[in-house]
Amino acid sequence: DQQVKQNSPSLSVQEGRISILNCDYTNSMFDYFLWYKKYPAEGPTFLISISSIKDKNEDGRFTVFLNKSAKHLSLHIVPSQPGDSAVYFCAASALGAQKLVFGQGTRLTINP
Amino acid sequence: SQTIHQWPATLVQPVGSPLSLECTVEGTSNPNLYWYRQAAGRGLQLLFYSVGIGQISSEVPQNLSASRPQDRQFILSSKKLLLSDSGFYLCAWSLLAGGGTGELFFGEGSRLTVL
Repeated sequence: DQQVKQNSPSLSVQEGRISILNCDYTNSMFDYFLWYKKYPAEGPTFLISISSIKDKNEDGRFTVFLNKSAKHLSLHIVPSQPGDSAVYFCAASALGAQKLVFGQGTRLTINP
Repeated sequence: SQTIHQWPATLVQPVGSPLSLECTVEGTSNPNLYWYRQAAGRGLQLLFYSVGIGQISSEVPQNLSASRPQDRQFILSSKKLLLSDSGFYLCAWSLLAGGGTGELFFGEGSRLTVL
């Protein structure tokens, strides 16, 4: 049972444009959401997070939007840069839970 | 500052051989520790997590086991490797209860190829 889903395995965006990565979840107990970025042969690194009490969190070029009623969140990167090319994982957790549940990841490629 | 190390970085093992991947965390106490696996073309699958010494929770039935002999040491093992054990293994830690309101910090990863 995939509780966190990233339905797009890959995304290609032109440099300077906006990249939008999407994530859906099914567990209504999830109340904290995170995005991780992963380069090949390296561990994922934390990018940005959002609590369920918010619907938007912004950090520089990165903004995460949360739509609780739709159980959907998205990561916006603007402007996109070549160094943003990586696999992006969405993750979620429930209050008091001992673990994060990850999506399958989306490979983002920024074209010059 | 906190750091996490795991080794070896790369491992090629024959089917049926044993496995030991080690992970250590520095600069923190009582971390939650995790082993994840990223199989080719798939997401991050949680294998084991530990909230304290000797306390191991297994997420999926498998050919692997985990141990936590010390507060900041987490070991992933197998007695006999299968071809399906190939993948990229990631150790991670968090300070708050399972990353419920915090993030995970990952090690560099260990690529295991079983032939």
